[in-house]
Amino acid sequence: GQNIDQPTEMTATEGAIVQINCTYQTSGFNGLFWYQQHAGEAPTFLSYNVLDGLEEKGRFSSFLSRSKGYSYLLLKELQMKDSASYLCAAMDSNYQLIWGAGTKLIIKP
Amino acid sequence: GAVVSQHPSWVICKSGTSVKIECRSLDFQATTMFWYRQFPKQSLMLMATSNEGSKATYEQGVEKDKFLINHASLTLSTLTVTSAHPEDSSFYICSARGDRETYEQYFGPGTRLTVT
Repeated sequence: GQNIDQPTEMTATEGAIVQINCTYQTSGFNGLFWYQQHAGEAPTFLSYNVLDGLEEKGRFSSFLSRSKGYSYLLLKELQMKDSASYLCAAMDSNYQLIWGAGTKLIIKP
Repeated sequence: GAVVSQHPSWVICKSGTSVKIECRSLDFQATTMFWYRQFPKQSLMLMATSNEGSKATYEQGVEKDKFLINHASLTLSTLTVTSAHPEDSSFYICSARGDRETYEQYFGPGTRLTVT
């Protein structure tokens, strides 16, 4: 079956770095997305990886290893506004997104 | 960037009535639109995928006669919850995909439905 695993909740300190891991199993693979979702709001796009390696975009970076079925989202210089849920989603061979349950990130001062 | 709107943003209705939610892509043509449901503290659950001009494809367990989806144009899709019941209360989110090369889905702001 198809499955996405990511931690339920993580806590980090303002100004620090946090890495949110995601492992996936899908029927075929057409890329891995990370979305940010604040409580009561819709998800917003953060990154898309389809090739192995690290993609850096400002304070956020995303990594993919296709052979390991593994991705992570790295957040640097954490700010209070980064408190949100982070959703990992893998695109299968039918270009459908398979969503993880999300990781709730709590930032403490 | 691509903008998707949803209307209404929240709605309260009585049990047994029907509610229509609109999803519009404002600055691009959405060949494919997706409807999701999200219960509190849970992840997104895909309900159906719709392509302009054709019937929607529903996920397993989603009643197509209860959740009517119409994708009449490249910028508008509607979801009608028919004969709503309290268990249908949820956060409904649409997303749209235009440019197939990026595969990115652009999300609407969501509609919070409460059935009393």
